[in-house]
Amino acid sequence: DAGVIQSPRHEVTEMGQEVTLRCKPISGHNSLFWYRQTMMRGLELLIYFNNNVPIDDSGMPEDRFSAKMPNASFSTLKIQPSEPRDSAVYFCASRDSLDYGYTFGSGTRLTVV
Amino acid sequence: LAKTTQPISMDSYEGQEVNITCSHNNIATNDYITWYQQFPSQGPRFIIQGYKTKVTNEVASLFIPADRKSSTLSLPRVSLSDTAVYYCLVGGDSSNTGKLIFGQGTTLQVKP
Repeated sequence: DAGVIQSPRHEVTEMGQEVTLRCKPISGHNSLFWYRQTMMRGLELLIYFNNNVPIDDSGMPEDRFSAKMPNASFSTLKIQPSEPRDSAVYFCASRDSLDYGYTFGSGTRLTVV
Repeated sequence: LAKTTQPISMDSYEGQEVNITCSHNNIATNDYITWYQQFPSQGPRFIIQGYKTKVTNEVASLFIPADRKSSTLSLPRVSLSDTAVYYCLVGGDSSNTGKLIFGQGTTLQVKP
């Protein structure tokens, strides 16, 4: 298995633009998580899905952020409009309910200028 | 979710055993203790999980006392490549797909 695949690896965009981050979880995993990591705030859970259904989005910073999981093999995190304070590394992770741990992707480093 | 407290940083030398202790005084009955490792520019990686007593795998050992209010991650004979941030998390049972909340972690610096 190729693990959790995130794209793009790096994204530089201008303030006000729409940004879409993509994630392909490990096949067969039924939970998917989006995290954001910054030096100031560490790793923050934004939202997670069980069986493609959003369970808890209390970590989503504001209405500019939205996440979808249209099927078991794909999820997106969208920021519209983007702001410089959204600059961070965004991680996607997936988990099988029978496994102990989460598997994280390599992350997307987002820079908003 | 139970809050965890661990040292912000630790230094060690190659070949030494490193023990990182985490406090979780409010751990719930059905909570498991999980440790993750994160290298720069990578996502966290699962190391080990336990509920009580001792768990050992090819990477580390996890010691959990009877009251479960703390746990110790033990890394035997560390090398330079073990330099990373180590996170202690408490939550959910092993089959629960609920969320895990990361704290600040312990930055381990291994020196030659």
